[in-house]
Amino acid sequence: DQQVKQNSPSLSVQEGRISILNCDYTNSMFDYFLWYKKYPAEGPTFLISISSIKDKNEDGRFTVFLNKSAKHLSLHIVPSQPGDSAVYFCAARDPQGGSEKLVFGKGTKLTVNP
Amino acid sequence: ETGVTQTPRHLVMGMTNKKSLKCEQHLGHNAMYWYKQSAKKPLELMFVYNFKEQTENNSVPSRFSPECPNSSHLFLHLHTLQPEDSALYLCASSQGSGGYTQYFGPGTRLTVL
Repeated sequence: DQQVKQNSPSLSVQEGRISILNCDYTNSMFDYFLWYKKYPAEGPTFLISISSIKDKNEDGRFTVFLNKSAKHLSLHIVPSQPGDSAVYFCAARDPQGGSEKLVFGKGTKLTVNP
Repeated sequence: ETGVTQTPRHLVMGMTNKKSLKCEQHLGHNAMYWYKQSAKKPLELMFVYNFKEQTENNSVPSRFSPECPNSSHLFLHLHTLQPEDSALYLCASSQGSGGYTQYFGPGTRLTVL
């Protein structure tokens, strides 16, 4: 049973426009959320995170929004650039059990067209 | 070297071979992780080590044997693997003790023949 879901396997946007990547989760105990970007043949790279006590966090072109009541978060990239083309993973921290454990979604492949 | 490094980057092995994957982190972190990434699946957490102690084993078959001699090094010993074990194996580290962000190595692409 997937606790973190990224329902769109792929997304294609035009350069300069906004990219919106979505993520849903089922476990209300998750207390910290992260977005990672992954290029082929490389490991995931940390992008941006948000604590469950906030609803928005911004870092340059990247903004993450959290809607706890809907158990939904999204990553906005504005403006999108061709170098943003990668697979984006949403992850959530599971505070239960004592380990520093992250649960990942399957990823969304973003393609930014010049 | 900076960040998290993994060797080898690619590995092809037969089902009767024994091999080891190595991970080293240069970030001063206290927690280290092994993940498996198979095609079209989420990253699957395999093992977690905090201050060299194993704190999580996610029902991983015994043909995968982790070793963490110190907070900077993590190994994954492999023996009698199956073809379905072919995947990308990723190592990560984090500060631990409330530092939730994990930093990943480039991964080892493993093929089991």
